[in-house]
Amino acid sequence: SYELTQPPSVSVSPGQTASITCSGDKLGDKYACWYQQKPGQSPVLVIFQDSKRPSGIPGRFSGSNSGNTATLTISGTQAMDEADYYCQAWDSSAGVFGPGTRVTVL
Amino acid sequence: EVQLLESGGDLVQPGGSLRLSCAASGFTFNSYAVSWVRQAPGKGLEWVSGISGSGGSTYYADSVKGRFTISRDNSKNTLYLQMNSLRAEDTAVYYCAKQDVGNTGGTFHYWGQGTLVTVSS
Repeated sequence: SYELTQPPSVSVSPGQTASITCSGDKLGDKYACWYQQKPGQSPVLVIFQDSKRPSGIPGRFSGSNSGNTATLTISGTQAMDEADYYCQAWDSSAGVFGPGTRVTVL
Repeated sequence: EVQLLESGGDLVQPGGSLRLSCAASGFTFNSYAVSWVRQAPGKGLEWVSGISGSGGSTYYADSVKGRFTISRDNSKNTLYLQMNSLRAEDTAVYYCAKQDVGNTGGTFHYWGQGTLVTVSS
């Protein structure tokens, strides 16, 4: 079955850039999405179709996807961005989520 | 405004059954695929099952295939998940999530608040 891998954690200082990778076989041939989840809350879409931002998502969130790796970048990270982030793609009509990356803003 | 409201979560014994519901509003329900996604306590997200807007196509994760059945009633704008032969590892918060396409794939733009299923004796 198809698998996505993410680093378990990323630490970033306020105002700095956080990059979260998501790896999977030929992931660049698929669309990747990214979801943010804060404790006790439902996931929120932050990036879809590799690099598009839904309305209401700040411009500091951006995404890319090429080869075997999709990347979520948070520029000028704020304390409110501290959360778990999950990448997601589709493979043979099945949804696949990465294991999640906890972003800590130090 | 799109709203998804799950219900039906409960404490159930191993081997038991449970049916979850997700009431949808704010969009043309029969035009969009919908999925169930679960999250075990302290763990990550896991896609469980999806169904096309018409209900004619259904999809399942290997972990639930043969035990869970997804369905929808487009006249009631409601999604269901019938869960049989429940196991301890099925314990999770179950979310329904609306996709932006009529069949498999797309993006989960909207999520419900989730309903907790606990499988324990």
